[in-house]
Amino acid sequence: EDQVTQSPEALRLQEGESSSLNCSYTVSGLRGLFWYRQDPGKGPEFLFTLYSAGEEKEKERLKATLTKKESFLHITAPKPEDSATYLCAVQASGSGGSNYKLTFGKGTLLTVNP
Amino acid sequence: DAMVIQNPRYQVTQFGKPVTLSCSQTLNHNVMYWYQQKSSQAPKLLFHYYDKDFNNEADTPDNFQSRRPNTSFCFLDIRSPGLGDAAMYLCATSRKVTGTDTQYFGPGTRLTVL
Repeated sequence: EDQVTQSPEALRLQEGESSSLNCSYTVSGLRGLFWYRQDPGKGPEFLFTLYSAGEEKEKERLKATLTKKESFLHITAPKPEDSATYLCAVQASGSGGSNYKLTFGKGTLLTVNP
Repeated sequence: DAMVIQNPRYQVTQFGKPVTLSCSQTLNHNVMYWYQQKSSQAPKLLFHYYDKDFNNEADTPDNFQSRRPNTSFCFLDIRSPGLGDAAMYLCATSRKVTGTDTQYFGPGTRLTVL
C-alpha cells in the first residue's frame, strides 16, 4: 500500500528564517510526486510535480527536491503570506491502464510570524 | 481564467436529509474527481469520472453517489448524511487518467451536518 508521511506536522518560523519540510513516501513505483499549498477553508493549489530522483523545481521562495525515498520543500526567507498547509502527494505506477490515484500526506502547517 | 468552481462553498444539512454538491470546470478536462477531507487529515478520493465512465473507490460508502451529465459538470450526492460525513468536499480535474497528470482543485464545499 502506498504511504506518504509528512514532517513536521506543524512548523513555526520567523519571517526570513529558512527551513525545510519533509515528505517521505513508500510506493511500488513512483510516477510523480506533487506538492500543493492549501490555505484554510480552501482547496489545494498546485505547486510542483517531480518525476525522478535528483529533480529540483523552484518557484519564488520555494524549492522542491526529490530522492528515491523522500522529497523536501525548502522555503528560503519566508514571508507571512507563505503561511499555509503544504500537502505532498504521490502517484504510483499501477497495474492496468489507470494510474490516476493520488495518495496524500496529512500536510505540514506552516506559520510564518512577522 | 480557466478554473474549477464549486457550489455552494458552505452547505448545512440535517442528519439523514439528502444533499447535492456541485462542481463545474472551464478547463475542458476529461477527468473529474471527488475527495473528502476531514479536519487536519489528508484528502481521500471517493470516486472519479473519466469522461462518462464512473470509477468508485473500493472503500467509498454506498451513501455517496455521483453524476456527470456533461463534460463541464459533476455532482456529489449524499443520500443520507450522517454526522461523520461532515467534512470539506473537494472537486478536482485532470486532462487524463493514465500517465502523470496534474490534478487541479476547486475551492471546496464545507458540509455541516446537524
